[in-house]
Amino acid sequence: DGGITQSPKYLFRKEGQNVTLSCEQNLNHDAMYWYRQDPGQGLRLIYYSQIVNDFQKGDIAEGYSVSREKKESFPLTVTSAQKNPTAFYLCASSIARPNSNQPQHFGDGTRLSIL
Amino acid sequence: GENVEQHPSTLSVQEGDSAVIKCTYSDSASNYFPWYKQELGKRPQLIIDIRSNVGEKKDQRIAVTLNKTAKHFSLHITETQPEDSAVYFCAASGRGKLIFGQGTTLQVKP
Repeated sequence: DGGITQSPKYLFRKEGQNVTLSCEQNLNHDAMYWYRQDPGQGLRLIYYSQIVNDFQKGDIAEGYSVSREKKESFPLTVTSAQKNPTAFYLCASSIARPNSNQPQHFGDGTRLSIL
Repeated sequence: GENVEQHPSTLSVQEGDSAVIKCTYSDSASNYFPWYKQELGKRPQLIIDIRSNVGEKKDQRIAVTLNKTAKHFSLHITETQPEDSAVYFCAASGRGKLIFGQGTTLQVKP
């Protein structure tokens, strides 16, 4: 069954701690994205990657880092520099075509809270 | 910068009535406009999308219209049902990414 898998579903972070959210897809998509969703707000882009070993900052990249070593995987690290990390984090992927945006498919999300 | 404004933020309709959600985008280069439905605590799911070479697209009870000149696009849901209750997001494409609106919480009263 093809899809996007995010883990864990719930995550708690202590002060000064870095935590990593996992995102794996078996859709053979080139592009992957990380969004942050706060209550009553839309999706804000943190980082995105159009191809392996390359990624770009989104609108709210400060305090976050990513890597894209494999096509299937795009982990997000929430660093201690992110002072307000409590949110719902969504990963998405899509086919990447030059000059043609494609539908993004989302994972089930990870809910991150501060202890 | 690129921006998408979505209205209204909340919408309550009676079952069987129609619902309309409107979005305005700022980037004239945007050429792809998807709509997502998100139920509480779940993933956003694509329900319909439209590209800039088309003015209207329909899929059963759902339709989307696009006015490129005015940079407006709208979602129309007819014969609403309680299971249509959810948060709906519009988005506009911009340089390999999507810019999302703030979302509309739709409540369909039985």
